[in-house]
Amino acid sequence: EVQLVQSGAEVKKPGESLKISCKGSGYSFTNYWIGWVRQMPGKGLEWMGIIYPGDSDTRYSPSFQGQVTISADKSISTAYLQWSSLKASDTAMYYCASHIAVAGTFDYWGQGTLVTVSS
Amino acid sequence: EIVLTQSPGTLSLSPGERATLSCRASQSVSSSYLAWYQQKPGLAPRLLIYGSSSRATGIPDRFSGSGSGTDFTLTISRLEPEDFAVYFCQQFGSSPLYTFGQGTKLEIK
Repeated sequence: EVQLVQSGAEVKKPGESLKISCKGSGYSFTNYWIGWVRQMPGKGLEWMGIIYPGDSDTRYSPSFQGQVTISADKSISTAYLQWSSLKASDTAMYYCASHIAVAGTFDYWGQGTLVTVSS
Repeated sequence: EIVLTQSPGTLSLSPGERATLSCRASQSVSSSYLAWYQQKPGLAPRLLIYGSSSRATGIPDRFSGSGSGTDFTLTISRLEPEDFAVYFCQQFGSSPLYTFGQGTKLEIK
């Protein structure tokens, strides 16, 4: 069974750094793109970026380029999303998602990680 | 940059009725890469339709997708209570690589 399991909720202060994770299992993690999607409170879905764990090829949405870093450790089947300096506007639910059976479509999703940034 | 515009923003219907949701792209989208998702409160989105008209695994046949070019439609033939949720369309391929529509909320009338 394919599963993407994300790290738990985080509460941070503005200016702090953060790295959240997404662990894949039940499939060949190395061979499928895995992306990150932001959902701000009460809002829609925004694609942030995507990584191919096999060679760490990474693509970013122009809206998020330079704002976050996406990485992966294929040895432990885990993808990461990190911030060097959080802002209150980073408060959101963050989902990882992969397209395994269908190219260009997010057919498997993590459960989400809620990030709250508040002073 | 491609923009997906969904309409209506909110759709109020009763169980048993037919729902028609629209997704319009600012430029042509490959039908192979147009998908629909359902999201219920507190849960991650779930893939419903891919390739504009193919149902994902386990999706009931009351859900159907159609369209091409810039106009796509998700139809739910007879609404069940569990279908009331938010629906998003998504494209792959045009800059940015992935784009979601803003969503349509399907609510019980």
